[in-house]
Amino acid sequence: SQTIHQWPATLVQPVGSPLSLECTVEGTSNPNLYWYRQAAGRGLQLLFYSVGIGQISSEVPQNLSASRPQDRQFILSSKKLLLSDSGFYLCAWSVTGANTGELFFGEGSRLTVL
Amino acid sequence: GQNIDQPTEMTATEGAIVQINCTYQTSGFNGLFWYQQHAGEAPTFLSYNVLDGLEEKGRFSSFLSRSKGYSYLLLKELQMKDSASYLCAPRGYQKVTFGTGTKLQVIP
Repeated sequence: SQTIHQWPATLVQPVGSPLSLECTVEGTSNPNLYWYRQAAGRGLQLLFYSVGIGQISSEVPQNLSASRPQDRQFILSSKKLLLSDSGFYLCAWSVTGANTGELFFGEGSRLTVL
Repeated sequence: GQNIDQPTEMTATEGAIVQINCTYQTSGFNGLFWYQQHAGEAPTFLSYNVLDGLEEKGRFSSFLSRSKGYSYLLLKELQMKDSASYLCAPRGYQKVTFGTGTKLQVIP
């Protein structure tokens, strides 16, 4: 069966510090991968998605970046965090090439920038 | 682009029926999801509609009208554990965009 894991689950970072969130999927090949962010009391905002290794599409301009160094690994990064980067970050995957694929979410990473 | 509209909050009584509406405008429509999200948790899948009509799954049903850009989620026999946010999410080409969600409070 397929599983998705992301870490760390919780982190508190000072403004201006770097960030790295990691997500891995097991039990499937060549998945579509996604990073969403949810600010407190708000909806899910799509940040990045990837349909293959090294292929990243960015949805909103910001100080975040994403990389996909391996087929089932998706990393969200920042060189310098802003207060507005605080939120609940969710990684998700779906079956590749299918426009009918359900999104499966990881457990989420709660980031607080102070 | 995507434009998704659903009520911000709703309140309903335990045992009752509630309907959560969603209207959307999207390019490259490939179906519409409904997800449930409890506070502090990741969303969980409820339903997926590709064709027009009603899909029933236990206490939950979802309806889609593609020509009207309209969907609703129907929850029957409400239970206290149904208190959560319900997210409408149309699927475009390769990506899924979420609305801001409807926070449902079920009261005794």
